[in-house]
Amino acid sequence: GQNIDQPTEMTATEGAIVQINCTYQTSGFNGLFWYQQHAGEAPTFLSYNVLDGLEEKGRFSSFLSRSKGYSYLLLKELQMKDSASYLCAVSDSNYQLIWGAGTKLIIKP
Amino acid sequence: IAGITQAPTSQILAAGRRMTLRCTQDMRHNAMYWYRQDLGLGLRLIHYSNTAGTTGKGEVPDGYSVSRANTDDFPLTLASAVPSQTSVYFCASSDSASGAYNEQFFGPGTRLTVL
Repeated sequence: GQNIDQPTEMTATEGAIVQINCTYQTSGFNGLFWYQQHAGEAPTFLSYNVLDGLEEKGRFSSFLSRSKGYSYLLLKELQMKDSASYLCAVSDSNYQLIWGAGTKLIIKP
Repeated sequence: IAGITQAPTSQILAAGRRMTLRCTQDMRHNAMYWYRQDLGLGLRLIHYSNTAGTTGKGEVPDGYSVSRANTDDFPLTLASAVPSQTSVYFCASSDSASGAYNEQFFGPGTRLTVL
């Protein structure tokens, strides 16, 4: 079966760095997405990785290791507005997105 | 209209009633999707459409139907609602259904409660 695993909840301090991990087992791989979802709102796109390595975009970076079925999202200089759920999704062999349950990130002052 | 709109924003529905959730996009995207999101679970695909005139079943299609008469609209119908269909429903679209990069854009969601 297809499976995406990520921690249910994480807590971090404003100004700090946090790493959210995602492991996956899917039928085929056509890229991995990270989305941000604030409570009561729609998911919004953060990053996309299809090749191994690190993609940096401002305070956010995303890493992929295809051989390990592993990705992480790194958030630097945390701000209160970063409190949200972070969703990991893998595009499978049919280009359908398989979604993890999301990681709720709580930022404390 | 900018992006994807959904209607209604929220709805309370009696079990057994028929309900259609509306979704419209103005980005001329070929592919559209309906998901449900339940606490503790990831987004689950209900139905999808790769292009106007075609539809397909996702992971959890039972009790739902869709149509795609044109590029912009993708309504989701619950023929006879049941309490287990209480959920938040998101409509999404992407430029293409295939190809390695198919970022999906989401509507604001419809919160549905079936009593």
